[in-house]
Amino acid sequence: DQQVKQNSPSLSVQEGRISILNCDYTNSMFDYFLWYKKYPAEGPTFLISISSIKDKNEDGRFTVFLNKSAKHLSLHIVPSQPGDSAVYFCAAGGNMLTFGGGTRLMVKP
Amino acid sequence: DTGVSQNPRHKITKRGQNVTFRCDPISEHNRLYWYRQTLGQGPEFLTYFQNEAQLEKSRLLSDRFSAERPKGSFSTLEIQRTEQGDSAMYLCASSLGTFSDYGYTFGSGTRLTVV
Repeated sequence: DQQVKQNSPSLSVQEGRISILNCDYTNSMFDYFLWYKKYPAEGPTFLISISSIKDKNEDGRFTVFLNKSAKHLSLHIVPSQPGDSAVYFCAAGGNMLTFGGGTRLMVKP
Repeated sequence: DTGVSQNPRHKITKRGQNVTFRCDPISEHNRLYWYRQTLGQGPEFLTYFQNEAQLEKSRLLSDRFSAERPKGSFSTLEIQRTEQGDSAMYLCASSLGTFSDYGYTFGSGTRLTVV
């Protein structure tokens, strides 16, 4: 039972454009949602979070949107940079985090 | 404190052998988590500790797996009688309380290969 899903395994974007990564969840008890970024041979690094009482959170070039009625969240990166190329995981939780399968983002110069 | 430290970084073992991994969390963090990640998948929860108490275990954690966190400091994850299906990256993370706004801090992981 996959409670957190990232349906796009990969995404390719031109430098300077917007990257939009999507995530769906099934458990309405989740009260916190996070995005992590992972480079090869490293552990995941925390990027940005949002609580279930909000619908948007911004941090610099990164914005996370939460649509609770649709059980959907998305991460927007504007403008995208080549250094953003990595695997992005969404995660959701209450007591501990459940992760999606990841989306590989490639930002082309 | 430079973050969550995991040792060894890589481990190759023969099927049937026992292996033990160590995780040193950020010193002030009272929660410690173990996750497993296989190729192309996201991290899967195994177990977590609050101080020295193991509070939750996943169904993924078969009876060949055991985790400890003596005195609420470092933690060890032991796999007995390893199988090829145990080959994965084992990730440790820590947090101060629940993850709230800042998530967990992950270590770089231990990559296990069972041959």
